[in-house]
Order: sequence, then structure tokens, then C-alpha cells
Amino acid sequence: DAGVIQSPRHEVTEMGQEVTLRCKPISGHDYLFWYRQTMMRGLELLIYFNNNVPIDDSGMPEDRFSAKMPNASFSTLKIQPSEPRDSAVYFCASTKGTGFEYFGPGTRLTVL
Amino acid sequence: KQEVTQIPAALSVPEGENLVLNCSFTDSAIYNLQWFRQDPGKGLTSLLLIQSSQREQTSGRLNASLDKSSGRSTLYIAASQPGDSATYLCAVLSSGSARQLTFGSGTQLTVLP
Repeated sequence: DAGVIQSPRHEVTEMGQEVTLRCKPISGHDYLFWYRQTMMRGLELLIYFNNNVPIDDSGMPEDRFSAKMPNASFSTLKIQPSEPRDSAVYFCASTKGTGFEYFGPGTRLTVL
Repeated sequence: KQEVTQIPAALSVPEGENLVLNCSFTDSAIYNLQWFRQDPGKGLTSLLLIQSSQREQTSGRLNASLDKSSGRSTLYIAASQPGDSATYLCAVLSSGSARQLTFGSGTQLTVLP
């Protein structure tokens, strides 16, 4: 398996623009997670899905953030409108049950 | 609420040395504990997973132990190499309905040639 795939790997945008991050989990995994990592706050869980259903979105910072998982092989995290404080590395991870969590390479987002 | 602490925050050792990284957690009701490695600018790589019923797991030069009752885990790295330089994070999956890892802040390891 190719592992968790994320795109784009780098995104530079201007404040106010819409940003969409994409993730393809490992086939057969039933959980998908979106994390954000910054120097100040470390690794934060934003939202996670089980069998394509959002289970806990309490980590989503505000209404500007939304996430969807239309099927078992694809998820998006959208920020609209983006702000400079959203600059971070966003990771997607997937797992089966209570096993290892496998992380993607991340998307480095810079909002100018 | 589960809290995970890693000490030290940074560690520098000469090549060849055996070393131990520490992780502690406040709530012993866990499913498992995972150790990850993160290289600069990269994602997290899973190293070892210890189930709550296990005491240790080994992979190559790595050995992770778990003492659930005292809320502690250690990652032992034998014969360290410069390629081991990275940040090591431990994460705990607590028992209960939420399937959410709680991460420590990591130990930044530098192995000097």
C-alpha cells in the first residue's frame, strides 16, 4: 500500500482565500483523523471520522474550518476564509480499530 | 482528562550510546501506547505499539516498555546512530468511547557522530 496520501504538499495562499486539503487513507482503514501541528501548540486533533461519519469535531477551531468524507477513500479539510494564524502543517492519519495510526506526509500551509 | 508528559524535551548523546526516553501519562485506563518518530519537515512514523495487556515490544534496536499501573513507558534505543536523530513522540489511546490519541510534546534526540 502507498500509505496515507495527502495533497497538496505545500500551499501558499493569501488571507481570505479558500483552501482545500485532500487525503486518501490506507485502504481498509475505518478511522480517519485530521491533525494540525504548530511550534506553539504541538499536535492537535481537529476532527475524526469512523466509517465516513464525523465522530468528534470539537478540535475544529472555528466555523471557518469544515471537513468531509464522502467515501472511504477520500476526505477534505476546507478553510474558508483563511487567515495567517491558520499557517501550520496539517496531517491526515488513518487506522483500523485500535491499531497503529499511520500518518501522511502533511500539507504545509502558509497564509500570507 | 488524559495528559502525557515526555522528559527530557531534548537529548544529545554520542554515537554508540544506549539511551532511554521517558513518557508518563495520568490515566491508566488505556487501550494502548504508541511511539512515533518525526524527522524535521516530515510526518510521523509509527515505531512501536504496546497493548495495555503487554509489558514490552521490540523492533530491531528499539524496545518499548509499559508499566500501566504507574503510568509510565520507556523507549530504549540501543547502540544509537546519527540516523536516529529525530523527535520521538509517545501517544496514549485511552479507554472509552472516544478513539483519540493524546500526544506528548516529544523528545528531540540528537546523536552526534
